[in-house]
Formats: sequence, C-alpha cells, structure tokens
Amino acid sequence: EAEVAQSPRYKITEKSQAVAFWCDPISGHATLYWYRQILGQGPELLVQFQDESVVDDSQLPKDRFSAERLKGVDSTLKIQPAELGDSAMYLCASSLGAGNEQFFGPGTRLTVL
Amino acid sequence: AQSVAQPEDQVNVAEGNPLTVKCTYSVSGNPYLFWYVQYPNRGLQFLLKYITGDNLVKGSYGFEAEFNKSQTSFHLKKPSALVSDSALYFCAVRDLNAGNNRKLIWGLGTSLAVNP
Repeated sequence: EAEVAQSPRYKITEKSQAVAFWCDPISGHATLYWYRQILGQGPELLVQFQDESVVDDSQLPKDRFSAERLKGVDSTLKIQPAELGDSAMYLCASSLGAGNEQFFGPGTRLTVL
Repeated sequence: AQSVAQPEDQVNVAEGNPLTVKCTYSVSGNPYLFWYVQYPNRGLQFLLKYITGDNLVKGSYGFEAEFNKSQTSFHLKKPSALVSDSALYFCAVRDLNAGNNRKLIWGLGTSLAVNP
C-alpha cells in the first residue's frame, strides 16, 4: 500500500539552528500539505501545494519558515532559525486533489532546546 | 465563519459497548465531512468521508458516521468498541463553496478511551 514518507522521524536541535524536513507524497497525488501539530491538539495547516505551486501559506511564519516543491513531487520544509516554540510534530499529507481525503505521513517530531 | 466543534474532549466507553464521538459543523455552503484517527505517536489516518448521497457512511475498522443536515452534525459511531480503538479522533470539514481555497477545517479532537 502506498504511503507518504517523511524524514527524519525525530529531530533535536538548539534554538537559532536551521532544520529541514523532507516529504515524499503518494505517487500521483497533486496536492501536498505541511501541518504543525502541538501535542493533544488538531493539526494546523502551514502550507498547501498544488503541484509545484503554493495555494495557501497564510499560516506559515514566513520570516523563519520556507517550503518548496520544486518538481511537484517531493517537498522540503525549512525552519531558520529555530525557536523554542517551534517544538511540535510536523506532518506531511497528500491527496489526489484539494477536495479529496488526505493521507498522512508518520510525522517528524521536532524538539528545540 | 467556517468551524467544526467536537464538544467532548474525552469519551470513555467499555469494551463491547457502542461508541459515539460527536461532531458539529458550520459552513456557508455544502460540506465535505471527514473523520480521521490518530493513534499514539502516529500520524493521522483517514477513516471515512461524506460527500453526497446516503447519509450513513461506512469506513475503516467498522466505524460509520451519520450526516444530519438539519442538525449540522456528523457523529462517528461503532456498534461494539474495542480496546484498540483507543485513540484521538478528529472531525474535519471542507466548504465546497470556498472556491479555490478548499482548506480543511479541523476540530480540536476527542480522546476515546475504551476500557477492558
């Protein structure tokens, strides 16, 4: 069964350092999402791609976060510099289209010290 | 404004009993409705969705949900709960009239505990 891949699964970093997360969606899925989830809360959409284009990044803290999906397949989310408040689970999801159900990867748990 | 409410932070049920996890929504147009489940230290998994048609939707792991337009609800149900159903459940809605901005609106989640 096809799955969304994410790496790394865990990341510990010090504040002010740069971190990057990678996501490989299910093959053929045009829409890719990056979410941030605080423990015990619902996911918060950071950025949504349709193919290689950003269609929603309204909640992305653009002074420190960036995301790209250059060839419309895999994607990278970067944080520079990391802050203590960035500690969270970062989830990637993909779907056939924006109206379809989303399939999630296992997530990257980020701890900023 | 579009919103989703899960009125119960936690639901406790005995194994073998029926379970219900509640969800109500508010959108300006016609909704797409979804349920997702998150097991401890895992990503979210899609359970089921309602788009149109039969109000009773069947999904994975024996779960089903009933769409009620007049009550704007989409409650998740299972006839007989298993201990392994213990997890965090999220309801989500997409407003079909939101144009190109078809962002999913998420509830805050309900923690389900099934006791042996």
